[in-house]
Amino acid sequence: ETGVTQSPTHLIKTRGQQVTLRCSSQSGHNTVSWYQQALGQGPQFIFQYYREEENGRGNFPPRFSGLQFPNYSSELNVNALELDDSALYLCASSLGGRGNTIYFGEGSWLTVV
Amino acid sequence: QKEVEQDPGPLSVPEGAIVSLNCTYSNSAFQYFMWYRQYSRKGPELLMYTYSSGNKEDGRFTAQVDKSSKYISLFIRDSQPSDSATYLCAMHVGGGADGLTFGKGTHLIIQP
Repeated sequence: ETGVTQSPTHLIKTRGQQVTLRCSSQSGHNTVSWYQQALGQGPQFIFQYYREEENGRGNFPPRFSGLQFPNYSSELNVNALELDDSALYLCASSLGGRGNTIYFGEGSWLTVV
Repeated sequence: QKEVEQDPGPLSVPEGAIVSLNCTYSNSAFQYFMWYRQYSRKGPELLMYTYSSGNKEDGRFTAQVDKSSKYISLFIRDSQPSDSATYLCAMHVGGGADGLTFGKGTHLIIQP
């Protein structure tokens, strides 16, 4: 158990809809990052939040957005869903700073139909 | 060329064998190297974490980093059927905001 919890575990959405995924980080961890993992691929970095501010972003369009709350929990929002957004979405938490270990939750499986 | 290359396998070995898993990378700025194990439809589980070059051992697992060759390895001794999973290498520059760069993962099968 990593102490990182995600919800929901599975969901199905229709193309064009919007989705919100939620994450509670490990106790004491002030940094949350989100990754997208397509079937048969490694996770791809979406963005990172440190103390409620986005401080790093991968190669994802603006329709992928997020929030981090004062208790360090986080949300990932995806607007205008596309079929290619179907993937496992992983949340990871760490203690901010150079070289700290990064722990993942079990993920949210999103299917877009 | 992808930043991190990893053979997707599958790699099938008999129980008790020594397993060698490898990744190569192109970005010489990477300083932190990790191996994660991922069971089917689950989140990645951190196995090994190394900084810069050298070896690190933890139980049946040994991680090696050769920065001069841009090559990292994970060795599993006395492999067990429960080790059957996908093994992902990951790395980052450090400083926090760049995220992890992963390989595609190697699917490992340990035959009883």
